[in-house]
Amino acid sequence: NAGVTQTPKFRILKIGQSMTLQCTQDMNHNYMYWYRQDPGMGLKLIYYSVGAGITDKGEVPNGYNVSRSTTEDFPLRLELAAPSQTSVYFCASKGRNQPQHFGDGTRLSIL
Amino acid sequence: AQTVTQSQPEMSVQEAETVTLSCTYDTSESDYYLFWYKQPPSRQMILVIRQEAYKQQNATENRFSVNFQKAAKSFSLKISDSQLGDAAMYFCAYRSPTGIKDSGYALNFGKGTSLLVTP
Repeated sequence: NAGVTQTPKFRILKIGQSMTLQCTQDMNHNYMYWYRQDPGMGLKLIYYSVGAGITDKGEVPNGYNVSRSTTEDFPLRLELAAPSQTSVYFCASKGRNQPQHFGDGTRLSIL
Repeated sequence: AQTVTQSQPEMSVQEAETVTLSCTYDTSESDYYLFWYKQPPSRQMILVIRQEAYKQQNATENRFSVNFQKAAKSFSLKISDSQLGDAAMYFCAYRSPTGIKDSGYALNFGKGTSLLVTP
C-alpha cells in the first residue's frame, strides 16, 4: 500500500509564482487534510475535505485553494507565492474509526 | 478552539532511562481524542499512541505509555527504556469527537518537544 503520497518533496519558488502541491491516497478515505508546519511549530490546518466535492477552510487558509474532484486526490494550490508561505506542507487522510495517515511532506521555499 | 500546550521545548534523556513529556489542553468538550505523534529527522509523522477521553484506563504501546488526567486536562507521555531511535520531535494533538461541524476530525497540535537521547 502506498498510503498517502505527496509530490514534489522539495520545491523552490519565486515570489509571485504559482504551483500545485499534489496529494493522493489509495485507502478510499473520505477525510483529507492539508497542514503546514513552520519552524519550531506544530502543524496548522489549512483546508480539509469530508468527501469528494466538499471542502472547507481550516485555521490558516489565506493564500491557498483546494479542490476535491475525486476521493483519491486533494491538491493544494498556491496562486501568488509569498515568503510567508515558506513551510513544510503535510497532506493526511482518515478513514472511519481510524487515525490520520500522513504523507511524507513537501518542503517549500519561496525566495 | 481547543488549544494544546507543550511547555517543554527540549528534553534530554540517557539511553535506557525513562523520560516524561508534558502536554496540557483546553476544551469544553467531555468526549474527545488525544494523540502523541513522533517526527524524526526524516520528517514523517508517526502515530505513537492515542487515548480516548471516555476511557479511564491509560493507553500503553510497548515502551510508551500515557498519564491521562482528565480533570486536570493533562496528557503526558512516558517513554521507558529510552533508545537512540527515540530521538525526535514529539507532538501532542487533540481531536474533537464531532466530524462534519468541527473541521472534519482534524487535529490541533502543540508546538512540540524535541527529545535528545544520549548514549
